[in-house]
Amino acid sequence: GAGVSQSPSNKVTEKGKDVELRCDPISGHTALYWYRQRLGQGLEFLIYFQGNSAPDKSGLPSDRFSAERTGESVSTLTIQRTQQEDSAVYLCASSPYLNTEAFFGQGTRLTVV
Amino acid sequence: AQTVTQSQPEMSVQEAETVTLSCTYDTSESDYYLFWYKQPPSRQMILVIRQEAYKQQNATENRFSVNFQKAAKSFSLKISDSQLGDAAMYFCAYRATQGGSEKLVFGKGMKLTVNP
Repeated sequence: GAGVSQSPSNKVTEKGKDVELRCDPISGHTALYWYRQRLGQGLEFLIYFQGNSAPDKSGLPSDRFSAERTGESVSTLTIQRTQQEDSAVYLCASSPYLNTEAFFGQGTRLTVV
Repeated sequence: AQTVTQSQPEMSVQEAETVTLSCTYDTSESDYYLFWYKQPPSRQMILVIRQEAYKQQNATENRFSVNFQKAAKSFSLKISDSQLGDAAMYFCAYRATQGGSEKLVFGKGMKLTVNP
């Protein structure tokens, strides 16, 4: 596709359930980021993938959060045993080359009830 | 660790007027990139302008320009001839190579209101 695609657009889940969020980056982009944005807040870094290098997981808030990416393709962000404080928009971005801007998807709005 | 600070949470401007959004950052790196992103209510993050730290010339994109002061670690965005469509959240961001990981670090954002 032409841009970064995220699915689902919206997700409502019950507290304690696991959720999986998907990101399709722009073809050929080696770098992929996940961010969390709580209502009215800034972007909180979660994880960064660059090609086949080990991901930078330093932003993951707890061991309930994990992410995978195979090569330079799709990434999934998994949140286990969701809590109400996990409610936020989760944004994915990809980048084609070192030191260029990141292109963002429209995000997944997660609501934990 | 690198940090990005946007000290003004909200600003307003009259249509057709000029407004300046401030941003400061902290880094020990000598080579890095700075960005301004816009996020309208649709929540789509849109790149407004980019500045390479090694370039002394300030970046300009139509009505948008920056004042990059490397020594002061300041990176402000000037919007000229403000339009209603400029109303959005604006985020300043920094990116450099840190230990092999290129983190894109964002400020907390600033809400810009454009009054007709």
